[in-house]
Amino acid sequence: EIVLTQSPGTLSLSPGERATLSCWASQGVGRNYLAWYQQKPGQPPRILIYATSTRATDIADRFSGSGSGTDFTLTISRLEPEDCAVYYCQQYGTAPTFGQGTKVEIK
Amino acid sequence: QVQLVQSGAEVKKPGASVRVSCKASGYTFIDYYMHWVRQTPGQGIEWMGRLNCNTGGTNVGEKFAGRVTLTRDTSISTAFMELSRLTSDDTAVYYCARGGDGSWTHLHYWGQGALVTVSS
Repeated sequence: EIVLTQSPGTLSLSPGERATLSCWASQGVGRNYLAWYQQKPGQPPRILIYATSTRATDIADRFSGSGSGTDFTLTISRLEPEDCAVYYCQQYGTAPTFGQGTKVEIK
Repeated sequence: QVQLVQSGAEVKKPGASVRVSCKASGYTFIDYYMHWVRQTPGQGIEWMGRLNCNTGGTNVGEKFAGRVTLTRDTSISTAFMELSRLTSDDTAVYYCARGGDGSWTHLHYWGQGALVTVSS
């Protein structure tokens, strides 16, 4: 099983600041099958990024993904109040797993 | 638009089974895999398995092997997840989620979730 470790656990930033969320895999993620999801309280996760860097439909371009192998990053270039949420990475090889999440707080 | 509508909350006793349904609309049901995941405060998000809605073939995560049964009824575009031999550790929100294009993909659309509470 590929274990995904996200860092930091909580990120507290002001509107307009840049957020950098990390996701490390215990072994290489094949074909860069790495996705990022946003989850707000009481809602299911929502797909933001898949295949490491492809934005899902209707996702704002302030969200971007990068990385390869075992090291992946989600960047929110200019935080907006509605970005307050928990963000999860997921590898979706033959035994998908999720990271434990990073909570983004807006000051 | 794609919609996945799940059945409602359930309360079950330890040792019992639970069946959660997921009715799909807005796309051709048999063209995509349906995945099941669950979320708990303690374990986070866990992938349970996936169902080939065309063939009925399944892949189930190691942790859930022997306890999870994934089925579908193509006539009503509905997928089902049954979890047996419930314990308190199975108290969670259970989601169905449709995959993207291809075999192993991200989870593109999600149901609203079904809370299953296991309590004596």
